[in-house]
Amino acid sequence: GAVVSQHPSWVICKSGTSVKIECRSLDFQATTMFWYRQFPKQSLMLMATSNEGSKATYEQGVEKDKFLINHASLTLSTLTVTSAHPEDSSFYICSASGLAGINEQFFGPGTRLTVL
Amino acid sequence: GNSVTQMEGPVTLSEEAFLTINCTYTATGYPSLFWYVQYPGEGLQLLLKATKADDKGSNKGFEATYRKETTSFHLEKGSVQVSDSAVYFCALSTGANSKLTFGKGITLSVRP
Repeated sequence: GAVVSQHPSWVICKSGTSVKIECRSLDFQATTMFWYRQFPKQSLMLMATSNEGSKATYEQGVEKDKFLINHASLTLSTLTVTSAHPEDSSFYICSASGLAGINEQFFGPGTRLTVL
Repeated sequence: GNSVTQMEGPVTLSEEAFLTINCTYTATGYPSLFWYVQYPGEGLQLLLKATKADDKGSNKGFEATYRKETTSFHLEKGSVQVSDSAVYFCALSTGANSKLTFGKGITLSVRP
């Protein structure tokens, strides 16, 4: 099946620093990638949708200058949390779609970000 | 806007018990409905889906029927196993861009 990886699986950083999270589709070309945020005991909330080679589309209330998304190739998207603060601590999950003939999102295992 | 409501959890069952997890939705248009499962330490996996009213999705012994009249998509399994212990998310999507709206998820624990 289609496999999506994320790196790192967890990261701890100091307040004010920037953190980059990678999302890769390992065995298919992902024309669209999605980034979600999940708080404890809460639902997944879509942050943004990115298509390869174009700017990401952010959901209402998501700061695009805070959460920089780059989808430079058909197998890689990155989310950079800039000048991170403790309130940015969360579980970030990516998904990818584009597997030929299948209208489905395939999810990565998530990245736990803790900002001290 | 779109929303998905799942029953509150967690749910703890004994092996071979019957499982029902309720899910209701609010959507504009005609949504596709999904159940995703997240096993410990893994990403979300699609468990089953239904794309129109009265469709029944099924996989691994789980079933859910798209009920337009009650705007529901309840998940059922006749006999759960310890290996079914996971977090289950109900979700919907509308439109061509496949954006998903998720419920809060519910944790299922199955005791031997």
